[in-house]
Parts: sequence; structure tokens; C-alpha cells
Amino acid sequence: DIVMTQGALPNPVPSGESASITCQSSKSLLHSNGKTYLNWYLQRPGQSPQLLIYWMSTRASGVSDRFSGSGSGTDFTLKISSVEAEDVGVYYCQQFLEYPRTFGSGTKLEIK
Amino acid sequence: QVQLTESGPGLVHPSETLSLTCTVSGFSLTGYSVYWVRQPSGKGLEWMGRMRYNGDTSYNSALKSRLSISRDTSKNQVFLKMNSLQTDDTGTYYCTRVSYGGPDYWGQGVMVTVSS
Repeated sequence: DIVMTQGALPNPVPSGESASITCQSSKSLLHSNGKTYLNWYLQRPGQSPQLLIYWMSTRASGVSDRFSGSGSGTDFTLKISSVEAEDVGVYYCQQFLEYPRTFGSGTKLEIK
Repeated sequence: QVQLTESGPGLVHPSETLSLTCTVSGFSLTGYSVYWVRQPSGKGLEWMGRMRYNGDTSYNSALKSRLSISRDTSKNQVFLKMNSLQTDDTGTYYCTRVSYGGPDYWGQGVMVTVSS
């Protein structure tokens, strides 16, 4: 199974500052079609997860442009520019390349 | 609009079988795959398995011996059955629609407690 490892945030993050969340995969997620199969989700307190980013850097429909994804085949970053109160929650990365689909353990974002 | 709704018993006794239903609307099960994902209380997400749009299934190897996913396209429902439940199976169970980019719509989840 592909192992996904997420980094922690230096919480709390001051409102208006940027925050970067890292994720590393044990295997390259670069597909032969040129797409990198890495997704990012946000789970707000008491809610279901929400897809933010797919194919490593494509924002899902309706997602703010304050969220951006980048990376290589095995190292990824989700950047949130100018964090707001509504960004509070746990962020998960997930590989979408192989079965079983595996998630990172989550990164909690708190706002000051 | 797209909706997924999980339903099932809130309490299951140890060693018994869990049966959950995911009822979907706003899309066809023959056009989209559906995942089951679970989340132990206070913990992270675990992918359980998949019902593909063509009826194929795939399971997490850690659960494969206990898990079965099926569907009834006429009722727009996907089913999860997992046997030999233990206390560490307690948590919230979600079904999700899967588009080309991944799970784009999630149900609200159903909380399942395994306890005697």
C-alpha cells in the first residue's frame, strides 16, 4: 500500500497569514498520462470531508483561489493564502493512483 | 442536485454484521463509482472499498475478508455489509461519489457504535 505522511502546522496560525501543509507519498503518484493523482480535502469540525484539490493542483468546483496545490511525484504542498476562520479544520491528502486509496493522517489548522 | 445519504443501525453488537445503505440522487450509479470511507471517532479517514460504475468492486485488503459491497441500480442504492464487528470498528461511515478527480460529493455520514 502507498503510505501518505503529512506534516504538522505551527498552530495557531494568525488570521491573514499564509499556511503550508506538506504531504509525502511512499511512491510516485505521477501517472503515465502526465497527471499526478494526489487529492486534498478539508474536514471542518462536525462536517464531512470536502474535496479541495485534485490532480495535485486543480481546484475543485467552488473552492476559493486562496487554496493552491503543488509538488513533485512524491512531495506535495497545499498552500492557504491569507487564512480565514472558515479554514479551520483538518486537512487530508489522499493518493488516487492505486488501490487501496490511502489517506494521510491529517493536519489540523487552528486560527489565532 | 447530487446527494448521498447513508443509513443503518446506530448500534451493533460485537461479532455481529453491519449493514449500511447509501441512497443517491442527482446522478446514476451506472455513470459514477461510489466509495465507502470510514472514520474512527477522533481519528483519520480509511478507504474501505469501491463500487465501480460497471458493477466491479474493490476492497481494502485489511477488510476484504469481512467486507462486501453491492448495489441496486433500480433503487439508486449501494450497500455495505461487514461481518465480525469489533469495538475498533466504531466510527462514522461515509459514502462518496467519485468523479475523474476523486470523491467530489460526500454523504453526511452515519455513526456506528459497536458495543454490547
